[in-house]
Amino acid sequence: GAVVSQHPSRVICKSGTSVKIECRSLDFQATTMFWYRQFPKKSLMLMATSNEGSKATYEQGVEKDKFLINHASLTLSTLTVTSAHPEDSSFYICSASVWTGGTTEAFFGQGTRLTVV
Amino acid sequence: QKEVEQDPGPLSVPEGAIVSLNCTYSNSAFQYFMWYRQYSRKGPELLMYTYSSGNKEDGRFTAQVDKSSKYISLFIRDSQPSDSATYLCAMHTGFQKLVFGTGTRLLVSP
Repeated sequence: GAVVSQHPSRVICKSGTSVKIECRSLDFQATTMFWYRQFPKKSLMLMATSNEGSKATYEQGVEKDKFLINHASLTLSTLTVTSAHPEDSSFYICSASVWTGGTTEAFFGQGTRLTVV
Repeated sequence: QKEVEQDPGPLSVPEGAIVSLNCTYSNSAFQYFMWYRQYSRKGPELLMYTYSSGNKEDGRFTAQVDKSSKYISLFIRDSQPSDSATYLCAMHTGFQKLVFGTGTRLLVSP
């Protein structure tokens, strides 16, 4: 299957600082990438849909000024958590969609565990 | 009512057992159905993908979709300890935005 690389896999930052997470599609071009957040023992919660060259579409309740998404190329989307607070600590996962003969399939990055201290 | 319902488990079975994982959904517009496996602290990995009612088999895994009942299942035959993970069902209408179940945690004991 297609490979999606997410970096870093783990980050610890101080409260008030910003953290950038990268999501790359390694062997395909992804016009659409998705960013999810997952709390322990909970399912994935879609935060935003990122389209190359345009503004991201955020889900209800997700602060767009806090979670900045940039999708500048067909292989790279970034999520920046600005002015991070301990409650932003979570597992963040990106995915990219691939057209596969009639529909699209989603492939996921390895996830980034963010801890804000 | 959630769009997708999935029992969170945990589901504990002995090695070699047949495992049945299930999801129900309420939106009849869902046309594409996926099962993902997620190991602890890792991203989900696509296991199975179907878009029609009926069964689809891949090795020890069988995905079953019943659109009339809005019910999907994943069967794992001859379960192994390495199958221990959280299994998430996911579905979409064709416009890429996936809706996930909560995930079922499976524990296969040797």
